[in-house]
Amino acid sequence: AQTVTQSQPEMSVQEAETVTLSCTYDTSESDYYLFWYKQPPSRQMILVIRQEAYKQQNATENRFSVNFQKAAKSFSLKISDSQLGDAAMYFCTYLGGATNKLIFGTGTLLAVQP
Amino acid sequence: AAGVIQSPRHLIKEKRETATLKCYPIPRHDTVYWYQQGPGQDPQFLISFYEKMQSDKGSIPDRFSAQQFSDYHSELNMSSLELGDSALYFCASSPRDRPQETQYFGPGTRLLVL
Repeated sequence: AQTVTQSQPEMSVQEAETVTLSCTYDTSESDYYLFWYKQPPSRQMILVIRQEAYKQQNATENRFSVNFQKAAKSFSLKISDSQLGDAAMYFCTYLGGATNKLIFGTGTLLAVQP
Repeated sequence: AAGVIQSPRHLIKEKRETATLKCYPIPRHDTVYWYQQGPGQDPQFLISFYEKMQSDKGSIPDRFSAQQFSDYHSELNMSSLELGDSALYFCASSPRDRPQETQYFGPGTRLLVL
């Protein structure tokens, strides 16, 4: 079975600084997709970034980028120029195989200090 | 851009009562997913539908049932409610029943069982 592990329950960053959230996963599949979702205090689940496993190039969305290491099964999220609005719970998420269900990690709660 | 609509946004029920949650996917999205997020937990997949047929099933209790209608909206029916059913219920939609399609989440329905 596929699993997603986020080993950092909480992180803190100063406004305008850079922070990296870690994620590892376990799968025997070769074709899959990885996502980072953000859940602010409103509890809305918002897509931050997505990565296809067959693509070697790391995905980037404005201030958000990932470091995808397929062999190591690692998928970290880097947030540059952190803003107060980035404060949220961040979920690393896996999707793959015959199933279409998202498998979530336990989340990392990010605090942004002014 | 239009988003996933869920109703009601908040619901309070007594134990052993029934509840019906509704989900209206993004226009032209034909796949709907339901997730349950308990307090302080990551979302867990319940069930999904593609073209009005159940496409995948997760940890959904037998007391729950769901369906997708001809206009692609979906309803999650919950009977004999228990205290442990108190959670945030998300609906998500995607354009097709393929693993590579990103799932977009609605705002959720907060269910409280007293």
